[in-house]
This record gives sequence, C-alpha cells and structure tokens, in this order.
Amino acid sequence: NAGVMQNPRHLVRRRGQEARLRCSPMKGHSHVYWYRQLPEEGLKFMVYLQKENIIDESGMPKERFSAEFPKEGPSILRIQQVVRGDSAAYFCASSPVWAGNTEAFFGQGTRLTVV
Amino acid sequence: DAKTTQPPSMDCAEGRAANLPCNHSTISGNEYVYWYRQIHSQGPQYIIHGLKNNETNEMASLIITEDRKSSTLILPHATLRDTAVYYCIAPDRGSTLGRLYFGRGTQLTVWP
Repeated sequence: NAGVMQNPRHLVRRRGQEARLRCSPMKGHSHVYWYRQLPEEGLKFMVYLQKENIIDESGMPKERFSAEFPKEGPSILRIQQVVRGDSAAYFCASSPVWAGNTEAFFGQGTRLTVV
Repeated sequence: DAKTTQPPSMDCAEGRAANLPCNHSTISGNEYVYWYRQIHSQGPQYIIHGLKNNETNEMASLIITEDRKSSTLILPHATLRDTAVYYCIAPDRGSTLGRLYFGRGTQLTVWP
C-alpha cells in the first residue's frame, strides 16, 4: 500500500503564475488535509476535504487559494497569481476517517518557490 | 482542540531515554492525545496516541497522568535519527471541524 503521494516534490513559479499541487491519498482514505509550513515555522492547517466536499477551510487565505478532492483522482491545491510569500512547503495528509479518531498519514510535501 | 503546551527544545544523549512532556490541562473526556514528529524537511510522522491508559508501540511509550492533564512521550533508547520536532495534539472529537492544530512542538536534539 503506497503512502500519500504528493507531486511535484519541488515547484518553481514566477510571480503571477498559477501553482497546482497534487495529493493522492492512501488507498481507502477519503479524508484529506492540507497544511502549509513557512521556513522555520510550524505546520499551519489550511483545509480539510472529504471526497467532493470541503469540510473545513478555515485556514485557507480568502483569495487566490482553492482546493478540491474530486470523486476520481487526486486532491488539488491551487494557488492563483502566486506571490513571493506563497513560497513554502505544502503537506498533504490522509486518513480513513476523521484524523481526530485515528492517525493521519502525511506525504513528503511539495516545496513551492516563487521567484 | 485542547490547548497543548510543550517545551520549545530538549536534548538527549544517544542511547538514553528521551522524555518529552506535554501539558493539556483543558482536555475533555473524549479527546485523545496524539504525538507526531517531523524530521527536518520531511512530512510529519505519526508516533502514538492514547486516551487514558498508557500505550506502547514499536516506536515509543505514552504515559498519561490519571487526571489526563499531561502526558509524556518516551523514546526508550534515543538515536541520532530521532532528532526531530515532536508535536503533541489533542483534537476535539466532538468538533465538526477537521483541523489538527500542531503548535510549535518540541525540538529534540539527540547528541552522540
């Protein structure tokens, strides 16, 4: 059973471009979480999705950021018109049920660099 | 989520036990205590969780006080590869919100 797969591992975008980060959860997991980690800082919750539904997006910036988890395919975190401050590591996690009731499994992250 | 408090840093000699404390004085009866760790630049890794009984697995032991207001993660024989940031989390199982609040954690440094 492959772990949580994130791609790309590294992504470089120029200011104003779009960044699309993909996350394939573990097999059988329908709950997905996205976190952002700025350099030398802790993990900040962004959004929690459960197949086709956004359950909690309280950590998502109001503009430019969106997330989806379609019925088929990976979860996508999309950042439009990227700015330098978006440079960070973005981690995805998945779990079979809500992660307050079981452990969550994390991917290795996508390192986004905005130049 | 119950608020958790951890020391910002600790160190430990290789081969010795590392005991990482966590205070969660506002924890409610249905909230588990989870421990994760993040080795530099990698994705966080689940270690162990418990409700009120002590727990042990192949990675660590978790000791939870009887009043559940604090816990200690024990790495019985720390190695250099255990150097990481360790996070103690107590998610609110009664909440409809999904976020796990990681806080700043404890930077454990294991020295040779």
